[in-house]
Amino acid sequence: ELKVEQNPLFLSMQEGKNYTIYCNYSTTSDRLYWYRQDPGKSLESLFVLLSNGAVKQEGRLMASLDTKARLSTLHITAAVHDLSATYFCAPYGQNFVFGPGTRLSVLP
Amino acid sequence: GAVVSQHPSWVICKSGTSVKIECRSLDFQATTMFWYRQFPKQSLMLMATSNEGSKATYEQGVEKDKFLINHASLTLSTLTVTSAHPEDSSFYICSARRQGTGEQYFGPGTRLTVT
Repeated sequence: ELKVEQNPLFLSMQEGKNYTIYCNYSTTSDRLYWYRQDPGKSLESLFVLLSNGAVKQEGRLMASLDTKARLSTLHITAAVHDLSATYFCAPYGQNFVFGPGTRLSVLP
Repeated sequence: GAVVSQHPSWVICKSGTSVKIECRSLDFQATTMFWYRQFPKQSLMLMATSNEGSKATYEQGVEKDKFLINHASLTLSTLTVTSAHPEDSSFYICSARRQGTGEQYFGPGTRLTVT
Protein backbone atom coordinates (compact mmCIF):
# COMPACT_ATOMS: atom_id res chain seq x y z
CA GLU A 1 0.00 0.00 0.00
CA LEU A 2 1.37 3.37 -1.05
CA LYS A 3 1.85 5.78 1.86
CA VAL A 4 2.77 9.43 1.51
CA GLU A 5 4.32 11.82 4.01
CA GLN A 6 4.81 15.53 3.72
CA ASN A 7 7.10 17.71 5.77
CA PRO A 8 6.37 20.18 7.19
CA LEU A 9 2.62 19.97 7.71
CA PHE A 10 2.43 23.64 8.64
CA LEU A 11 4.69 26.39 7.41
CA SER A 12 4.58 30.02 8.27
CA MET A 13 7.09 32.13 6.45
CA GLN A 14 7.78 35.74 5.69
CA GLU A 15 7.52 37.24 2.27
CA GLY A 16 10.77 37.14 0.41
CA LYS A 17 12.06 33.99 2.08
CA ASN A 18 12.82 30.62 0.50
CA TYR A 19 11.65 27.26 1.72
CA THR A 20 11.28 23.64 0.63
CA ILE A 21 8.42 21.22 1.20
CA TYR A 22 9.32 17.54 1.17
CA CYS A 23 7.21 14.61 0.00
CA ASN A 24 8.23 11.04 0.74
CA TYR A 25 6.37 8.01 -0.51
CA SER A 26 6.68 4.37 0.31
CA THR A 27 6.52 2.39 -2.93
CA THR A 28 7.37 2.82 -6.58
CA SER A 29 5.22 5.27 -8.45
CA ASP A 30 5.40 6.08 -12.14
CA ARG A 31 4.59 9.74 -11.73
CA LEU A 32 3.96 12.35 -9.07
CA TYR A 33 1.74 15.41 -8.99
CA TRP A 34 1.72 18.57 -6.93
CA TYR A 35 -1.55 20.36 -6.30
CA ARG A 36 -2.54 23.58 -4.65
CA GLN A 37 -5.78 23.99 -2.74
CA ASP A 38 -7.23 27.30 -1.58
CA PRO A 39 -9.78 27.31 1.27
CA GLY A 40 -13.17 26.11 0.11
CA LYS A 41 -11.89 25.23 -3.33
CA SER A 42 -10.91 22.10 -5.19
CA LEU A 43 -7.45 21.17 -6.42
CA GLU A 44 -5.39 23.20 -8.84
CA SER A 45 -2.77 21.24 -10.71
CA LEU A 46 0.74 22.68 -10.37
CA PHE A 47 3.17 20.10 -11.68
CA VAL A 48 3.38 16.55 -12.94
CA LEU A 49 6.77 14.87 -12.67
CA LEU A 50 7.19 11.90 -14.91
CA SER A 51 10.70 10.56 -14.43
CA ASN A 52 13.67 10.40 -12.13
CA GLY A 53 15.48 13.69 -12.01
CA ALA A 54 12.55 15.63 -13.45
CA VAL A 55 12.51 19.29 -12.51
CA LYS A 56 9.76 21.74 -13.35
CA GLN A 57 9.45 25.41 -12.55
CA GLU A 58 6.57 27.84 -12.72
CA GLY A 59 7.05 31.29 -11.29
CA ARG A 60 8.28 31.07 -7.71
CA LEU A 61 7.67 27.32 -7.45
CA MET A 62 10.01 24.55 -8.52
CA ALA A 63 9.34 20.85 -8.14
CA SER A 64 11.74 17.93 -8.45
CA LEU A 65 11.54 14.18 -8.29
CA ASP A 66 14.01 11.54 -7.14
CA THR A 67 12.36 8.19 -7.77
CA LYS A 68 15.24 6.22 -6.26
CA ALA A 69 14.88 8.05 -2.95
CA ARG A 70 11.09 8.19 -3.40
CA LEU A 71 11.30 11.87 -2.67
CA SER A 72 9.85 14.94 -4.28
CA THR A 73 10.45 18.52 -3.27
CA LEU A 74 8.53 21.73 -3.85
CA HIS A 75 10.80 24.73 -3.49
CA ILE A 76 9.43 28.20 -2.91
CA THR A 77 11.58 31.14 -3.90
CA ALA A 78 11.02 34.63 -2.52
CA ALA A 79 7.57 33.81 -1.18
CA VAL A 80 4.68 36.20 -1.66
CA HIS A 81 1.35 36.32 0.15
CA ASP A 82 -0.51 34.93 -2.86
CA LEU A 83 1.24 31.60 -2.36
CA SER A 84 -0.61 31.02 0.90
CA ALA A 85 -2.56 27.77 0.40
CA THR A 86 -2.37 24.08 1.14
CA TYR A 87 -0.06 22.05 -1.07
CA PHE A 88 -0.53 18.36 -1.70
CA CYS A 89 1.80 15.90 -3.32
CA ALA A 90 0.20 12.85 -4.92
CA PRO A 91 2.18 9.94 -6.29
CA TYR A 92 0.24 8.03 -8.88
CA GLY A 93 0.09 4.24 -8.93
CA GLN A 94 -3.24 2.78 -9.97
CA ASN A 95 -4.75 6.03 -8.79
CA PHE A 96 -3.81 9.03 -6.68
CA VAL A 97 -2.67 8.75 -3.09
CA PHE A 98 -2.57 12.16 -1.51
CA GLY A 99 -0.15 13.33 1.10
CA PRO A 100 -1.52 15.00 4.23
CA GLY A 101 -0.88 18.44 2.80
CA THR A 102 1.35 21.34 3.81
CA ARG A 103 -0.52 24.39 4.97
CA LEU A 104 1.53 27.39 3.92
CA SER A 105 1.00 30.84 5.30
CA VAL A 106 3.09 33.66 3.89
CA LEU A 107 3.15 36.68 6.15
CA PRO A 108 3.79 40.21 4.91
CA GLY B 1 -10.20 21.64 -22.45
CA ALA B 2 -10.56 18.85 -19.86
CA VAL B 3 -13.22 20.40 -17.68
CA VAL B 4 -15.03 18.51 -14.95
CA SER B 5 -18.15 19.97 -13.38
CA GLN B 6 -20.03 19.07 -10.25
CA HIS B 7 -23.58 19.87 -9.30
CA PRO B 8 -24.58 21.18 -6.92
CA SER B 9 -21.61 23.15 -5.64
CA TRP B 10 -23.11 23.17 -2.18
CA VAL B 11 -26.12 21.61 -0.55
CA ILE B 12 -27.73 21.66 2.88
CA CYS B 13 -30.05 18.84 3.82
CA LYS B 14 -31.74 17.44 6.88
CA SER B 15 -30.73 14.24 8.63
CA GLY B 16 -32.36 11.20 7.12
CA THR B 17 -32.74 12.60 3.64
CA SER B 18 -30.79 11.60 0.54
CA VAL B 19 -28.65 13.84 -1.61
CA LYS B 20 -27.43 13.26 -5.16
CA ILE B 21 -24.24 14.84 -6.49
CA GLU B 22 -23.47 14.82 -10.20
CA CYS B 23 -20.03 14.77 -11.79
CA ARG B 24 -19.69 15.46 -15.48
CA SER B 25 -16.76 15.54 -17.85
CA LEU B 26 -17.75 18.37 -20.18
CA ASP B 27 -15.39 18.03 -23.11
CA PHE B 28 -13.99 14.53 -22.91
CA GLN B 29 -15.06 10.98 -22.27
CA ALA B 30 -14.10 9.45 -18.97
CA THR B 31 -13.59 5.73 -18.69
CA THR B 32 -13.20 5.97 -14.96
CA MET B 33 -14.42 8.42 -12.38
CA PHE B 34 -13.32 8.73 -8.79
CA TRP B 35 -15.06 10.09 -5.72
CA TYR B 36 -13.10 11.66 -2.87
CA ARG B 37 -14.14 13.02 0.48
CA GLN B 38 -12.30 15.74 2.34
CA PHE B 39 -12.98 16.71 5.92
CA PRO B 40 -11.89 20.16 7.14
CA LYS B 41 -8.13 20.59 7.35
CA GLN B 42 -7.54 17.04 6.13
CA SER B 43 -6.37 15.46 2.93
CA LEU B 44 -8.46 13.88 0.22
CA MET B 45 -9.53 10.30 0.81
CA LEU B 46 -10.62 8.11 -2.07
CA MET B 47 -14.09 6.72 -1.49
CA ALA B 48 -14.75 4.75 -4.63
CA THR B 49 -13.81 4.19 -8.24
CA SER B 50 -16.44 3.79 -10.90
CA ASN B 51 -16.17 2.52 -14.45
CA GLU B 52 -18.84 3.26 -16.99
CA GLY B 53 -21.45 0.54 -17.08
CA SER B 54 -20.15 -1.46 -14.15
CA LYS B 55 -20.41 -1.48 -10.38
CA ALA B 56 -18.24 0.86 -8.40
CA THR B 57 -15.31 -0.35 -6.35
CA TYR B 58 -15.39 1.01 -2.83
CA GLU B 59 -12.41 1.64 -0.58
CA GLN B 60 -12.19 -0.14 2.72
CA GLY B 61 -14.44 1.41 5.32
CA VAL B 62 -16.78 3.12 2.85
CA GLU B 63 -20.34 1.84 3.06
CA LYS B 64 -21.55 0.96 -0.41
CA ASP B 65 -25.18 1.00 0.67
CA LYS B 66 -24.84 4.49 2.04
CA PHE B 67 -22.85 6.01 -0.80
CA LEU B 68 -24.49 4.87 -4.01
CA ILE B 69 -22.47 5.48 -7.14
CA ASN B 70 -23.83 5.25 -10.66
CA HIS B 71 -21.66 5.73 -13.75
CA ALA B 72 -24.31 5.66 -16.43
CA SER B 73 -22.33 7.14 -19.31
CA LEU B 74 -18.81 8.13 -20.29
CA THR B 75 -19.49 11.69 -19.15
CA LEU B 76 -21.61 11.32 -16.03
CA SER B 77 -21.22 9.76 -12.61
CA THR B 78 -23.47 10.35 -9.64
CA LEU B 79 -22.94 9.92 -5.93
CA THR B 80 -26.02 9.58 -3.75
CA VAL B 81 -25.62 9.94 -0.03
CA THR B 82 -28.52 8.02 1.43
CA SER B 83 -30.03 8.68 4.84
CA ALA B 84 -27.53 11.43 5.43
CA HIS B 85 -26.29 12.21 8.94
CA PRO B 86 -24.31 15.18 10.25
CA GLU B 87 -21.11 13.13 10.18
CA ASP B 88 -21.52 12.87 6.40
CA SER B 89 -21.00 16.62 6.15
CA SER B 90 -17.89 17.04 4.07
CA PHE B 91 -16.41 18.33 0.83
CA TYR B 92 -16.93 15.78 -1.95
CA ILE B 93 -14.65 15.99 -4.98
CA CYS B 94 -14.95 13.91 -8.10
CA SER B 95 -12.25 13.22 -10.63
CA ALA B 96 -12.47 11.90 -14.17
CA ARG B 97 -9.86 9.92 -16.06
CA ARG B 98 -9.73 10.90 -19.68
CA GLN B 99 -10.18 8.12 -22.20
CA GLY B 100 -7.05 7.75 -24.28
CA THR B 101 -4.56 9.88 -22.37
CA GLY B 102 -5.34 8.51 -18.93
CA GLU B 103 -4.92 11.96 -17.42
CA GLN B 104 -7.12 12.67 -14.44
CA TYR B 105 -8.97 15.94 -13.86
CA PHE B 106 -10.68 17.14 -10.71
CA GLY B 107 -14.07 18.73 -10.32
CA PRO B 108 -14.69 21.89 -8.28
CA GLY B 109 -16.17 19.97 -5.35
CA THR B 110 -19.53 19.84 -3.59
CA ARG B 111 -19.88 20.96 -0.01
CA LEU B 112 -22.49 18.93 1.82
CA THR B 113 -23.87 20.08 5.15
CA VAL B 114 -26.30 17.80 6.98
CA THR B 115 -28.29 19.44 9.75
